[in-house]
Amino acid sequence: GQSLEQPSEVTAVEGAIVQINCTYQTSGFYGLSWYQQHDGGAPTFLSYNALDGLEETGRFSSFLSRSDSYGYLLLQELQMKDSASYFCAASGNTPLVFGKGTRLSVIA
Amino acid sequence: EAGVAQSPRYKIIEKRQSVAFWCNPISGHATLYWYQQILGQGPKLLIQFQNNGVVDDSQLPKDRFSAERLKGVDSTLKIQPAKLEDSAVYLCASSLWSGVTTGELFFGEGSRLTVL
Repeated sequence: GQSLEQPSEVTAVEGAIVQINCTYQTSGFYGLSWYQQHDGGAPTFLSYNALDGLEETGRFSSFLSRSDSYGYLLLQELQMKDSASYFCAASGNTPLVFGKGTRLSVIA
Repeated sequence: EAGVAQSPRYKIIEKRQSVAFWCNPISGHATLYWYQQILGQGPKLLIQFQNNGVVDDSQLPKDRFSAERLKGVDSTLKIQPAKLEDSAVYLCASSLWSGVTTGELFFGEGSRLTVL
């Protein structure tokens, strides 16, 4: 089967850095994606890692270690608008499988 | 470029009634997905279409759920009869190909179903 584990909730201060971890068990693993979803909104794509290492896109970075079946999303210079749910999702032999999500609360 | 369109946005029905949701993907996207998202959880795949063929429907409760994409463009998801546990947001997503090599799906705003 396929499963992904990520923390259910994270709270961080505006302007700080937060890391959201994700571990996965996926057959025929191809890559790890990250999505952001605001309450009542659609999930929106943030990043995708197919190779080991760090990918940077503005304030957001994503990391993958295939040998450890582990990845993380790093959010820098947190803003109030970053308060949302973040999902890791694994692509493999089956269509994209999502984790249960991490609810990030950014406080002043 | 227009995004993924879904309707209706909200639907309230009583258990044992039927409901249908419609999705129009981004123009040119060959792959279409229906996901179910229960409050507080991640999206769970129900069915994947490649053009008008089914790629994966292993998690679709076929005794009550059905989906079609007859002309390889828009799609309809039907639930009949609905149960209380079907209360969820039904998300439609599309991608240019299978989404495997990029991990990028484009989601619609979803159809929120409440079953009373």
